[in-house]
Amino acid sequence: AQSVAQPEDQVNVAEGNPLTVKCTYSVSGNPYLFWYVQYPNRGLQFLLKYITGDNLVKGSYGFEAEFNKSQTSFHLKKPSALVSDSALYFCAVRGRSNDYKLSFGAGTTVTVRA
Amino acid sequence: DTGVSQDPRHKITKRGQNVTFRCDPISEHNRLYWYRQTLGQGPEFLTYFQNEAQLEKSRLLSDRFSAERPKGSFSTLEIQRTEQGDSAMYLCASSLGLREGIYNEQFFGPGTRLTVL
Repeated sequence: AQSVAQPEDQVNVAEGNPLTVKCTYSVSGNPYLFWYVQYPNRGLQFLLKYITGDNLVKGSYGFEAEFNKSQTSFHLKKPSALVSDSALYFCAVRGRSNDYKLSFGAGTTVTVRA
Repeated sequence: DTGVSQDPRHKITKRGQNVTFRCDPISEHNRLYWYRQTLGQGPEFLTYFQNEAQLEKSRLLSDRFSAERPKGSFSTLEIQRTEQGDSAMYLCASSLGLREGIYNEQFFGPGTRLTVL
């Protein structure tokens, strides 16, 4: 079975400060990893994915994520947070078999204060 | 708007009634997924179609739930004899599957929020 853990329910940062949202995963074999963001009353928006290659993945809106196989982690980062980054963030994983469903974490609410 | 669309956006029903939701995926996407999201949780997989074939169903999808994608385009999710525990956001997603080993991200619709009274 595959699963994702997001250990922090909430992350609070000041605008302009670095933002990190943590994610660890469990899956058989090598993973596909994803980050999505959800704004109120909106669907999930894709931010970035790790499939293979460089461990540092760059995505939308200045976000990046680092894949660490030994620590089974895929933390989301942004060097300088904006108030508009305040939202609910989900990490998701799937294995490399013919199993296309995503398994999501419970989500982390990010609040960026001005 | 060329994204995934879902209808209705909100549905309030009484326990025991049947409801049906529709999802229109991005036009060229051959894969379509249904997820359920409850408050404070991430989306949970319900079922998945490749073209018109339903290839996987979660054990969350009880006998009261049925999904179809008759022409490989839009999909419907029906819940019969709704229960209060069915109250949730139902999300639809689609992706373009080119060939085995190539995986493109899923794009999500805005969801249908179901409230069962």
